[in-house]
Amino acid sequence: DAKTTQPTSMDCAEGRAANLPCNHSTISGNEYVYWYRQIHSQGPQYIIHGLKNNETNEMASLIITEDRKSSTLILPHATLRDTAVYYCIVSPNTDKLIFGTGTRLQVFP
Amino acid sequence: EAGVTQFPSHSVIEKGQTVTLRCDPISGHDNLYWYRRVMGKEIKFLLHFVKESKQDESGMPNNRFLAERTGGTYSTLKVQPAELEDSGVYFCASSQDRGRAPTFGAGSRLTVL
Repeated sequence: DAKTTQPTSMDCAEGRAANLPCNHSTISGNEYVYWYRQIHSQGPQYIIHGLKNNETNEMASLIITEDRKSSTLILPHATLRDTAVYYCIVSPNTDKLIFGTGTRLQVFP
Repeated sequence: EAGVTQFPSHSVIEKGQTVTLRCDPISGHDNLYWYRRVMGKEIKFLLHFVKESKQDESGMPNNRFLAERTGGTYSTLKVQPAELEDSGVYFCASSQDRGRAPTFGAGSRLTVL
């Protein structure tokens, strides 16, 4: 079973920041937080991951709380093409990713 | 670089028939993974190859599924005989090393009638 809890769905206006929360209260010290997304009819796409420090790349930012029990994925300027299901996964490595139900993000014009 | 390629993109077969799905990982990627999403369920891990060796096949549902990766390059996943509950999308992913997040292919949709 997935070790994360995410809202089922969220909406975001185009151009605004999308903040996707994830709870992982049972995360272990050696587990990373990974984010993937799946755009309709495509395979899961890696976005970002982190251990305890905040991370940023060209796609998104990942904010992890100090106690590591939750995190937030931030898409700074959402576009219509960011409409997808976003998965938050905690794992010590990428050998066996456990996908939950994810958050369906709908970006509207 | 070319991404992970899967073939066929969609296969429709009758119950009891055999289907073979193929995955071409990104060149140089030793790690190859198979996942699947059956109808209404979450994406589930099936197995993990490191080169030609099966590292973890704990997610394979039963002995009707056989995965191979001869020579450590492309991989095949054979379902024989196919059952109705095997319908879904089968994803392949690959990574250069175990510290890197795998890249997924677009998936092969299997429909068993």
